[in-house]
Amino acid sequence: QEQLQESGPGLVKPSETLSLTCTVSGGSISSYYWSWIRQPPGKRLEWIGYIHYSGSTNYNPSLKSRVTISVDTSKNLFSLILSSVTAADTAVYYCARGPGRLDYWGQGTLVTVSS
Amino acid sequence: EIVLTQSPGTLSLSPGERATLSCRASQSVSRSYLAWYQQKPGQAPRLLIYGVSSRATGIPDRFSGSGSGTDFTLTISRLEPEDFAVYYCQQYGTSPTFGQGTKVEIK
Repeated sequence: QEQLQESGPGLVKPSETLSLTCTVSGGSISSYYWSWIRQPPGKRLEWIGYIHYSGSTNYNPSLKSRVTISVDTSKNLFSLILSSVTAADTAVYYCARGPGRLDYWGQGTLVTVSS
Repeated sequence: EIVLTQSPGTLSLSPGERATLSCRASQSVSRSYLAWYQQKPGQAPRLLIYGVSSRATGIPDRFSGSGSGTDFTLTISRLEPEDFAVYYCQQYGTSPTFGQGTKVEIK
């Protein structure tokens, strides 16, 4: 059974870049799609984007200009970069397996954007 | 973007009762790409239902999904104590979106 674990800084300054990594264990990252989702405090879940192990991506149009998702199959992980962050990007960030229906999730990591 | 609206916002019920949760889409959901998740405080969402009515692995049969087009329903036939949580619907077409959630609380 796959396990996913997010890692990265919990505090990012406004206008800077948010970087998170999701390490997959208990299974191979190959042959699947992998997603990032976030949940601002008290708000609904928001899909950020997904990547196939081959490297093809699909991003939320509202975030597309600031988002990059990449995959490293040799390390069994995938990553999220979100540039030019503002307070509105404060959220719990989750990684999950799937392009759509998301059957395995990480526990989530809170990222706060503040100076 | 497909906007999903869930109702009611909060459902107050007792253990053993039946829960009926609604999810309405602003346009037709393609290929029955509709899922339901359960989220408890401090935890990640858990996939319950996908493809409108297929239960995910390990999900008890008291959970069922139905609907088509723009109107979908999650039914919990008899609430167990562990079922009190927030439930989200999701459409997973080209650009996935989530509903705002329905909280099922103990009456």
